[in-house]
Amino acid sequence: DSGVTQTPKHLITATGQRVTLRCSPRSGDLSVYWYQQSLDQGLQFLIQYYNGEERAKGNILERFSAQQFPDLHSELNLSSLELGDSALYFCASSSSGTGQNIQYFGAGTRLSVL
Amino acid sequence: QQPVQSPQAVILREGEDAVINCSSSKALYSVHWYRQKHGEAPVFLMILLKGGEQKGHEKISASFNEKKQQSSLYLTASQLSYSGTYFCGTEYNYGQNFVFGPGTRLSVLP
Repeated sequence: DSGVTQTPKHLITATGQRVTLRCSPRSGDLSVYWYQQSLDQGLQFLIQYYNGEERAKGNILERFSAQQFPDLHSELNLSSLELGDSALYFCASSSSGTGQNIQYFGAGTRLSVL
Repeated sequence: QQPVQSPQAVILREGEDAVINCSSSKALYSVHWYRQKHGEAPVFLMILLKGGEQKGHEKISASFNEKKQQSSLYLTASQLSYSGTYFCGTEYNYGQNFVFGPGTRLSVLP
């Protein structure tokens, strides 16, 4: 158990809908990362937050947005969903401040868009 | 800038050795190695910071050649449990611009 909690584990929805994925980082971790992994593909970096502020942005679509709240949990919002958005979405957290930016991953949310 | 991993895939028999490489065209602050089993989350294996150190974890070890900006992951006497996709991740500066490589799929057969 990495200590990173993602909910829900599975999500099935229809095209055009909007969903919210939630991530609770490990206790004490200030950084949260979001990744998208399509079937048998690599880990595509979406966005990183550090202590509530956006730190880095990857190839995140305009239909997607995220935020990190004061209690450090994070949410990834996906709207106007398309079939191609079906994927595993991972959240990871890291402690920073230690000189070693080790990321610990949650179990992921499997999104199926029908 | 995404690091380059080689090979893309490798098939081994139990007990055989393998080497996976990860290289960057820019100077790196750190190289991370993760293993992901099918349908599961990536799991951290080890981190190497600039300085050319080598680390070990049971029969899995790694090195970082700062001159070449290349890291190698060594799997010796492979076990069935080593099967999965290995990703390297690189940072140019601490806490910035972290990016994963495309992955190397390792299959260990009995």
